[in-house]
Amino acid sequence: AAGVIQSPRHLIKEKRETATLKCYPIPRHDTVYWYQQGPGQDPQFLISFYEKMQSDKGSIPDRFSAQQFSDYHSELNMSSLELGDSALYFCASSLGRVRAPRYNEQFFGPGTRLTVL
Amino acid sequence: DAKTTQPTSMDCAEGRAANLPCNHSTISGNEYVYWYRQIHSQGPQYIIHGLKNNETNEMASLIITEDRKSSTLILPHATLRDTAVYYCIVRLNTGGFKTIFGAGTRLFVKA
Repeated sequence: AAGVIQSPRHLIKEKRETATLKCYPIPRHDTVYWYQQGPGQDPQFLISFYEKMQSDKGSIPDRFSAQQFSDYHSELNMSSLELGDSALYFCASSLGRVRAPRYNEQFFGPGTRLTVL
Repeated sequence: DAKTTQPTSMDCAEGRAANLPCNHSTISGNEYVYWYRQIHSQGPQYIIHGLKNNETNEMASLIITEDRKSSTLILPHATLRDTAVYYCIVRLNTGGFKTIFGAGTRLFVKA
């Protein structure tokens, strides 16, 4: 079965550079979530999108922005990178509340490991 | 979302059952108990979820107490590949809600 696809899998950037992470949800899934996991930490929710609109927002820095496109893939844009942004970034997808009123299994991608030097 | 409390770490012998407890005393009536696990640096993986009845699937069993204030995830025959961090999460069952990860249990399965 198709899973969530993230690209790139690894990314190395310098401080103050920008980075763009991409996420391709499971076919038919209309909701995408982004999570950040720092070294030795638990995943933290950043932001989510449902039907191309932002549906929820967590601890996402102002330097980060994201969007969901008409084909439901999503991109996380990160600017003015800092050393502390080095982390694993996971994307997850699921059906949204309209198509899944009683079901909320989220499928996670393999993650993008971002290293900021 | 209700908060959960889990042991920081647990050991289990290979082939034995692993019983992972979770306390969620502030769970509300319409919130479900979900379990995910994360094998080192991989994306979290869904295991099982339930409301108030015990549930079983090919990966695990979920036992929820009658008052719903705690639950236990059971891996019936743990293998070395089950070594992971296990997260107990309480949330609504409606699609589209984010997952709030607390401090899970690091399970070490030993040969």
